[in-house]
Amino acid sequence: DTQMTQSPSTLSAFMGDRVTITCRASQSIGTWLAWYQQKPGKAPKLLIYKTTSLESGVPSRFSGSGSGTEFTLTISSLQPDDFATYYCQQYDTYPGTFGQGTKVEI
Amino acid sequence: DVQLVESGGGLVQPGGSLKLSCVASGFTFNNYWMTWVRQAPGIGLEWVANIKKDGSQTNYVDSVKGRFTISRDNAKSSLYLRMDSLRAEDTAVYYCARDRVEYNFGYAKAPYFDYWGQGDLVTVSS
Repeated sequence: DTQMTQSPSTLSAFMGDRVTITCRASQSIGTWLAWYQQKPGKAPKLLIYKTTSLESGVPSRFSGSGSGTEFTLTISSLQPDDFATYYCQQYDTYPGTFGQGTKVEI
Repeated sequence: DVQLVESGGGLVQPGGSLKLSCVASGFTFNNYWMTWVRQAPGIGLEWVANIKKDGSQTNYVDSVKGRFTISRDNAKSSLYLRMDSLRAEDTAVYYCARDRVEYNFGYAKAPYFDYWGQGDLVTVSS
């Protein structure tokens, strides 16, 4: 199985900050990568797919980049609603595997 | 609006069984593969199983093969997960989710998930 590793595990930031989360795959996954946002007690929400494609309704301050084994999720200007845990997921091969999550806190 | 509503979770003893249900609305259920994803307390997400639109094909993560069975009833827009021989490590919130599948040169990739239910807690403990 492809292992996904996110860094950092926790990130402390201020509103308005530019935030970057990194996700590394144990083998090349092309650009078959998605990002999700999860708030406490809620289901994950799809933010980005195919590394760079923004899901409908997701604010444009979210963006993704990368290919192969290294990927990033960037929030250009952190808003109050963005404090949450973020997960990457590879879907190049079964089983689709998730990173362990990055908690963005105030 | 797309809605997925899980039910059937609860407390079960090790070695016991439980069946989760997920009722879908707001989309044409039989046009989509569907998935179960779980999240152990305080831990990350794990894809568990998925099922083809007509129920003719299923896939499972290795840790549940032979113990869990995914099924669906398209007439009822419902997805199920039968869980047998439950272990403490199966304790988790179980989410049903709608698959989105992309293709590369005609071959399907693994899915990612565009809609999720609210989740249902399964606790395996004596």
